[in-house]
Amino acid sequence: DVKVTQSSRYLVKRTGEKVFLECVQDMDHENMFWYRQDPGLGLRLIYFSYDVKMKEKGDIPEGYSVSREKKERFSLILESASTNQTSMYLCASSSPGQGPYGYTFGSGTRLTVV
Amino acid sequence: AQSVTQLGSHVSVSEGALVLLRCNYSSSVPPYLFWYVQYPNQGLQLLLKYTSAATLVKGINGFEAEFKKSETSFHLTKPSAHMSDAAEYFCAVSDWGGGGSQGNLIFGKGTKLSVKP
Repeated sequence: DVKVTQSSRYLVKRTGEKVFLECVQDMDHENMFWYRQDPGLGLRLIYFSYDVKMKEKGDIPEGYSVSREKKERFSLILESASTNQTSMYLCASSSPGQGPYGYTFGSGTRLTVV
Repeated sequence: AQSVTQLGSHVSVSEGALVLLRCNYSSSVPPYLFWYVQYPNQGLQLLLKYTSAATLVKGINGFEAEFKKSETSFHLTKPSAHMSDAAEYFCAVSDWGGGGSQGNLIFGKGTKLSVKP
């Protein structure tokens, strides 16, 4: 069964800390995505990547960066965590194939910044 | 630009009643449409997808959705709700324009379904 694994389910960090959220997929997918999910706002795209060492800004990239050194791993970095980054973070992957077949999501990381 | 609107942030039904979750889309290209479900503290799981084949799409757990181009709608239905259907549901449209472009999914804001015993 295909899998997207996020390294932590729950995370508590202090304001100003540098935070790494890790995502690994075992499906050899080219595309990977980071979203944040907040009540009433749905899913908002932070960054995405269509290939190794490639990254594109999504709708809300401010305060975040990403790294994709290997095809299977896509890391989200909060350079200096702030309380307004408290949220659920979801990683997803997909393969372009013949069209948009939809994404496979990880279970999410609930980040609290105190 | 593509977008989706989910009507109703909360829907409550009784067990055994019809479930109807509404989604309207806007797309400048033939749309590819999806419904996802999210159970508490979990990621999103694909329920069903429309990719320009049959307009009535059947998904998992007894859900189905009908693509209506004239109404720009893709509503999700289930004839008889079960307690285990309580979750949040997201409609999404792809901005894939065909050819070599990749396309991303644009999500609605979600509808939380409650099922009363």
